[in-house]
Amino acid sequence: EVQLVQSGAEVKKTGESLKISCKGSGFSFSNTWIGWVRQMSGKGLEWMGIINPGDSDIRISPSFQGQVTISADKSINTAYLQWSSLKASDTAMYFCARHSSQIVTFDVWGQGTLVTISS
Amino acid sequence: DIVMTQSPDSLAVSLGERATINCKSSQSILYSPNNKNYLSWYQQKPGQPPKLLIYWASIRESGVPDRFSGSGSGTDFTLTISSLQAEDVAVYYCQQCYNPPYTFGQGTQLEI
Repeated sequence: EVQLVQSGAEVKKTGESLKISCKGSGFSFSNTWIGWVRQMSGKGLEWMGIINPGDSDIRISPSFQGQVTISADKSINTAYLQWSSLKASDTAMYFCARHSSQIVTFDVWGQGTLVTISS
Repeated sequence: DIVMTQSPDSLAVSLGERATINCKSSQSILYSPNNKNYLSWYQQKPGQPPKLLIYWASIRESGVPDRFSGSGSGTDFTLTISSLQAEDVAVYYCQQCYNPPYTFGQGTQLEI
């Protein structure tokens, strides 16, 4: 079964660091792209960026450039989204998704990771 | 960035009736070498991740009921639900995958 499984919910304080993960299975992780999407409470979907785990090529939205780090470890089929200094405005649900090179869209989604930042 | 604008923001349709959601891109998302529009539609129900419904503007993803259809080309696209079912209540998003950042529309809330 093709699936993406994300790490569990996180509660952090402003200024702390955080790394959440997304593990793929059932497909060739190194031969695809994995993306991250933010959804703030009650709001729409925001495309953050994508990474090719095979060569670590990254495309990141200007809106998130410098705010987050996207990385991957192809040896364990896992992609990551990382913050070095969290803000209250980072509170959101974060989804990872497979960006299929064949049909050029997000065709498989993770279940989401809820990140809550308090002061 | 390509801006995706959906209309309406919300829509109430009776069971069995047709629902139509529009999506407009700020520039053409038709890739001329293969004549494909890089436009996708997703359905998101509360507490769930989005689900892919349509890609290349008009191709239904495997397992998606045939009451869902997509049309359009260039900058103007439409998602149509031919006969609304109770389980179709959700938020619907369009997305362009022509140029990164692969932006989403703001979403359309579909209610009965």
